[in-house]
Amino acid sequence: EPEVTQTPSHQVTQMGQEVILRCVPISNHLYFYWYRQILGQKVEFLVSFYNNEISEKSEIFDDQFSVERPDGSNFTLKIRSTKLEDSAMYFCASMRDGSYEQYFGPGTRLTVT
Amino acid sequence: AQTVTQSQPEMSVQEAETVTLSCTYDTSESDYYLFWYKQPPSRQMILVIRQEAYKQQNATENRFSVNFQKAAKSFSLKISDSQLGDAAMYFCAYRIPRTGANNLFFGTGTRLTVIP
Repeated sequence: EPEVTQTPSHQVTQMGQEVILRCVPISNHLYFYWYRQILGQKVEFLVSFYNNEISEKSEIFDDQFSVERPDGSNFTLKIRSTKLEDSAMYFCASMRDGSYEQYFGPGTRLTVT
Repeated sequence: AQTVTQSQPEMSVQEAETVTLSCTYDTSESDYYLFWYKQPPSRQMILVIRQEAYKQQNATENRFSVNFQKAAKSFSLKISDSQLGDAAMYFCAYRIPRTGANNLFFGTGTRLTVIP
């Protein structure tokens, strides 16, 4: 069964550095999402992407964040200048057109030191 | 604002017994979807069951069923005949069916332990 994959599984970076988190959504899906979960807190929506543009974003998704679908398979989340509070688990999800179910990846644990 | 509340951070159940996980939500919308997602240790979240708000009948998927009380804004998950593989983090989630977005609002999760 197709799965959403994410790389790396764990990323450690220093404060102020840029990080790129990568996701490969399921191939025939058209909607893509990033969520994050700070340890011990709820999963929070960051951004949704459809038809090669952002369709919705939360207040968390400020100018430090950007998303890109550079080719037909990858979907990336970039954080330009990481802060300590960006430490979290980041989940990518995808959904096909006409469906209700989002398929999640295993997540990338980002640790900012 | 949409909020989802799971008041039970941890629950445990004996194997083969039944357990109910609670979820309440707050919304001013009349049309929405509710979901329960399961996240096993070190694995991705998978959808367990969903409920459309316009449907009065409670959703059922094998051993999993929900008790949807729209007026009370309550959406609990019942797991019957619990199995060791049911041990996981369970998240209740909500979304509005809106073209182009469809993002989910999650609760804080309930960690379910299944005792052999």
